[in-house]
Amino acid sequence: GAVVSQHPSWVICKSGTSVKIECRSLDFQATTMFWYRQFPKQSLMLMATSNEGSKATYEQGVEKDKFLINHASLTLSTLTVTSAHPEDSSFYICSVPGLERVEQFFGPGTRLTVL
Amino acid sequence: QQQVKQSPQSLIVQKGGISIINCAYENTAFDYFPWYQQFPGKGPALLIAIRPDVSEKKEGRFTISFNKSAKQFSLHIMDSQPGDSATYFCAASKGQAGTALIFGKGTTLSVSS
Repeated sequence: GAVVSQHPSWVICKSGTSVKIECRSLDFQATTMFWYRQFPKQSLMLMATSNEGSKATYEQGVEKDKFLINHASLTLSTLTVTSAHPEDSSFYICSVPGLERVEQFFGPGTRLTVL
Repeated sequence: QQQVKQSPQSLIVQKGGISIINCAYENTAFDYFPWYQQFPGKGPALLIAIRPDVSEKKEGRFTISFNKSAKQFSLHIMDSQPGDSATYFCAASKGQAGTALIFGKGTTLSVSS
């Protein structure tokens, strides 16, 4: 399957600051990547679909101006949480389609804590 | 509206026993059904997946059973081991390239030794 990395693995920031999370596909070129958010002991909720060379598609209820997504290349998508607040504290995970395209492989996740 | 319903929420199984987790879906357009295993603080790992053209798929100790008419599918873990203790998520998608997954709420499995 696809090998996916995320950076950083965890980050602590002050309320009001912005945080950038990187998702890299290490062995596949991905025109599409997905960003999910997972609160403690809950399931994964899709936030947005990242499209290489075009605007991301956001799920209902996700603020596109708060969660900025940039898919600058076929191997890198970034999620920037702008003006972070404590309620944004969560586990952010990206996924990349595999060779079969319908499969998805997840990164190790980024734990964001906003103080 | 919850598109993929998963049960039970938690499960305790003795070592060597069979763990069974069930999922039901509503959208008949779904045609790809994976199961993921997640350990605390880690990203989900793809375990096994099935398409609706088969009723069962087995990989090692893991088996998916699929009932298209009932819109249900289940994960069976044979000879459960303490190392299988994790959270398991079922998911579904329309099976096309670039289609996102819809996840169930998850089942926390504890295998006692």
